Amino acid sequence: AQKITQTQPGMFVQEKEAVTLDCTYDTSDPSYGLFWYKQPSSGEMIFLIYQGSYDQQNATEGRYSLNFQKARKSANLVISASQLGDSAMYFCAMSPTQGGSEKLVFGKGTKLTVNP
Amino acid sequence: NAGVTQTPKFQVLKTGQSMTLQCAQDMNHNSMYWYRQDPGMGLRLIYYSASEGTTDKGEVPNGYNVSRLNKREFSLRLESAAPSQTSVYFCASRGQGLSFFDTQYFGPGTRLTVL
Repeated sequence: AQKITQTQPGMFVQEKEAVTLDCTYDTSDPSYGLFWYKQPSSGEMIFLIYQGSYDQQNATEGRYSLNFQKARKSANLVISASQLGDSAMYFCAMSPTQGGSEKLVFGKGTKLTVNP
Repeated sequence: NAGVTQTPKFQVLKTGQSMTLQCAQDMNHNSMYWYRQDPGMGLRLIYYSASEGTTDKGEVPNGYNVSRLNKREFSLRLESAAPSQTSVYFCASRGQGLSFFDTQYFGPGTRLTVL
């Protein structure tokens, strides 16, 4: 069975500083995808960044980057130059290879608070 | 292009009542999903449909039924609501884009309270 672990229930960061949100995963599948979603207080789920298990380079999307360490089974999200609007819940998720349906398995999330 | 839409946005039910949550997507996606989100938890998969005409159980299917009405629409039915089904329900869809691991796009959610 696949599992995602996010060990930080809450994180605090000062505006304009960088922050790393931790994510470890467990799977026996050789091929999988890793995702990060943001959920602001309004409730919607916003896709941020994706990393494939065979990708050689770490994914980047603007201020978001994914620190992918395959041997350690970790996929940490790095947010550079934090903004007040980054305050939200952040979920790490994995897409296991199961018949092509690509169901997502989610972690419990990390609540990020950006202080002015 | 509305993406994924869900109705209703809010609903209050009494124990034992039934209701159907509606979901539609206009992105021509093959796969659709229903998740629930409880306080302090991530999203958990209830049911999914890999393509029109097929449905499969996810992690927490008990107490729910689904219908993939056509390629656009995927509904979730609670036949006899229970307080344990109080949750926020998200519908999502996924296409088959350039990457095999295509992104899931989520609807705005339905907040359901069962008294």
